[in-house]
This record gives sequence, structure tokens and C-alpha cells, in this order.
Amino acid sequence: EIVLTQSPGTLSLSPGERATLSCRASQSVSSSYLAWYQQKPGQAPRLLIYGASNRATGIPDRFSGRGSGTDFTLTISGLEPEDFAIYYCQQYGSSVTFGPGTKVDIK
Amino acid sequence: QVTLKESGPVLVKPTETLTLTCTVSGLSLSNGRMGVSWIRQPPGKALEWLAHIFPNDEKSYRTSLKRRLAISKDTSKSQVVLTMTNMDPVDTATYYCARVPLRFLYGMDVWGQGTTVTVSS
Repeated sequence: EIVLTQSPGTLSLSPGERATLSCRASQSVSSSYLAWYQQKPGQAPRLLIYGASNRATGIPDRFSGRGSGTDFTLTISGLEPEDFAIYYCQQYGSSVTFGPGTKVDIK
Repeated sequence: QVTLKESGPVLVKPTETLTLTCTVSGLSLSNGRMGVSWIRQPPGKALEWLAHIFPNDEKSYRTSLKRRLAISKDTSKSQVVLTMTNMDPVDTATYYCARVPLRFLYGMDVWGQGTTVTVSS
């Protein structure tokens, strides 16, 4: 099973700042099968990025993803108040796993 | 507009079997490209994938829970059912179902609102 590690665990930033979230896999992941989700308290997760770098429908262009192999990154270019949330990466290989999440909170 | 909605018991006793239903609206389960996954989230913890059913009825399960899980679908009812046997208090969580087009190439793009299950005697 591929284990995903996300860092940092918590990212404290101010609105307008740039957020860089990391997702590292225990073995190589096809970039076609790496996705990112946003979850706010009391809500279901929302797909942000699929195929490592493709924004899902309706996702603002301040969200971008990149990476390959074992290292993937989600960047939020300028944090809006609604972006403070928990972010999860997820991969599909022979099975599906999620990372433990990165919480982006207000500094 | 595609929507998914989970339903099932709010409370189950330890050792009982949990049966959850995901009802899909706005899209046929027999369209050949749509799969459905179940994911859970214990209170205050991360997402945990449980099981998936592919369009061709192929099934995949979380390794650690494989002996306790079963996933199936009824295309005539547009429903995907997950059963989990021998429930334990550590299985207390919010359970979500999610649409998965084209074998995860597009991620899990539509999620249900979730249903909260508490395991307690």
C-alpha cells in the first residue's frame, strides 16, 4: 500500500499570502492518479485538483498542482478567507490512500 | 446535476453489521464509466478510503478491512450498498460515498453529504 505523507501538518498564514502544501508518497505514483481535496468543518471534501495538475470544474486559478513520482505540491497563490481549511492528497494505484491532511489556518 | 446521498442507521451496537446505501441521482450507474467509492472519517481525523466498485462490477477494498467489507450495486435503483460486519466503537465515523469517473483519472468529483454512524452499546 502506498503511504502518503503531507507537510506541514499545519500552515498558519494571513489572507493574501501564498500557501505551499507538500504530499510525498512512499513509492512512485502515476501523476494521472494524484488528486487534492479541500474540506471545511462540517462539510464533505471537495475535489480541487486531479491528475496532479488539472483543476476540477469551478476551482479558481489561484489553486495549482504539480509534481511527479513521489513528490507533489498544491499551491494557493493568494489565500482568500474561504481557503482556510484542511487539504488532503489522494492517490490511486493498486489501492486508494489519502494523506493525513494539512490544515491551513489564519495567522 | 449529479448528486449522491448516503443513508443508514445513526446508531449500531458493537458486533452488529452496518448497511449503508448511497443513492445516485442525475446519472445512471450503468453508463459504463462511473464507479463509486466509500470513504469514512472518524471524528477529528483524516479521510479513510474503504471500498470501490468499478463500472464493470469489479470491487476493491481497504486491505485492513477487507474481511469485514462488502460493496455492491443495484443499477435499477441507482444505489450502491456497503456492508461492514462486526462493528466496533472505533468504526464511529462519518461515512461518505463519492462518484469516481473513469477509474480515478478524474478523482472523486462528486461527494455525498455524509452520514454519521455511532457504534455504542
